[in-house]
Amino acid sequence: NAGVMQNPRHLVRRRGQEARLRCSPMKGHSHVYWYRQLPEEGLKFMVYLQKENIIDESGMPKERFSAEFPKEGPSILRIQQVVRGDSAAYFCASSPPERRGYGYTFGSGTRLTVV
Amino acid sequence: AQSVTQPDIHITVSEGASLELRCNYSYGATPYLFWYVQSPGQGLQLLLKYFSGDTLVQGIKGFEAEFKRSQSSFNLRKPSVHWSDAAEYFCAVSTDSWGKLQFGAGTQVVVTP
Repeated sequence: NAGVMQNPRHLVRRRGQEARLRCSPMKGHSHVYWYRQLPEEGLKFMVYLQKENIIDESGMPKERFSAEFPKEGPSILRIQQVVRGDSAAYFCASSPPERRGYGYTFGSGTRLTVV
Repeated sequence: AQSVTQPDIHITVSEGASLELRCNYSYGATPYLFWYVQSPGQGLQLLLKYFSGDTLVQGIKGFEAEFKRSQSSFNLRKPSVHWSDAAEYFCAVSTDSWGKLQFGAGTQVVVTP
């Protein structure tokens, strides 16, 4: 059973470009969470999604950031018009419905560098 | 406001020595409590968690943690560290029914020979 898969592992974008980060949850997991880790900081919650629904996006910046988790395919975190301050590690985690809140499984992250 | 504090940013410990990492939280009720470990360039791995019951929790890799309600603490311990324990350790709390985690800033552990 593969774990939470994130790709790409490393992503370099120039300022103003778009970044698309993908997360494939573990098999059977229908809940996805995105966290951001800025340099020298802990992880900060961004958004919680279930299939085709955004449940909590209280941690998402109001502009340029969006997330989706379609019925088919991976969850996508999209950052439009990236700026230097978006450089960070972005982690996805997943859980099955019955284990939400019980400590979910994290992927290895996507490290975004904006140049 | 809810908060998670890891007072030690950096700890150096000799291989074979004991390790204790501190974590304090601020929350009105007892939250769900977690410890995660992050190796360089890797994601986070769950070491252990506390929800209720026995306040001494056993985890993977020989780690344990003790919940002390009176001190609002959830300190992580290991009796004898191995070089492979060098990593960053994060304490986290969950206060929502669906499990949104609030993380501390982390403690970097360096293991010396």
